[in-house]
Amino acid sequence: DAGVTQSPTHLIKTRGQQVTLRCSPKSGHDTVSWYQQALGQGPQFIFQYYEEEERQRGNFPDRFSGHQFPNYSSELNVNALLLGDSALYLCASSAGLAGYNEQFFGPGTRLTVL
Amino acid sequence: KNEVEQSPQNLTAQEGEFITINCSYSVGISALHWLQQHPGGGIVSLFMLSSGKKKHGRLIATINIQEKHSSLHITASHPRDSAVYICAVGLYGGATNKLIFGTGTLLAVQP
Repeated sequence: DAGVTQSPTHLIKTRGQQVTLRCSPKSGHDTVSWYQQALGQGPQFIFQYYEEEERQRGNFPDRFSGHQFPNYSSELNVNALLLGDSALYLCASSAGLAGYNEQFFGPGTRLTVL
Repeated sequence: KNEVEQSPQNLTAQEGEFITINCSYSVGISALHWLQQHPGGGIVSLFMLSSGKKKHGRLIATINIQEKHSSLHITASHPRDSAVYICAVGLYGGATNKLIFGTGTLLAVQP
């Protein structure tokens, strides 16, 4: 079992560009959550996908959008990149939405916006 | 005030010392997670607990639901334990298991 995988591992973009990050959940997991971790901070919840629908969203602008595919993998899209979007983007997967379900994290994608 | 507070923010210990990291939260939770993150790296789940105490090797996690407080203990600390330790909570109720994170405790264990 490969666990949660994310791609790419690192990415450099310039302001105004668009970026797509990808996440494949752990085998058997159907729920994917995305988090943004700025340097020196704890991760902040962006949104969560289950059954191909966005189930909950954190306090992020509409420039942040996502998608979940029938195989449960997910994409995070960020449009009109700002310098402040530079962060580690983490994906976590679980088997369902229940709070008692353990979550597994991917290695993250380090996004740098110049 | 953050919903999840950790202390201390930074901790330096000598190899072999007993270490305690504390986490307090102000919301109703379904579970509390202790996570480990090495510099530049992803996050590894250490414990998920909703009551009592769990032990894995040299790591022990406890939670007091009434006091809304949890502790992570490391016995016989080793330089390889150097990392950021993060407390996170899953909110009680609602159709989501999103996590709210503390800002982390940076632990450095010196040989």
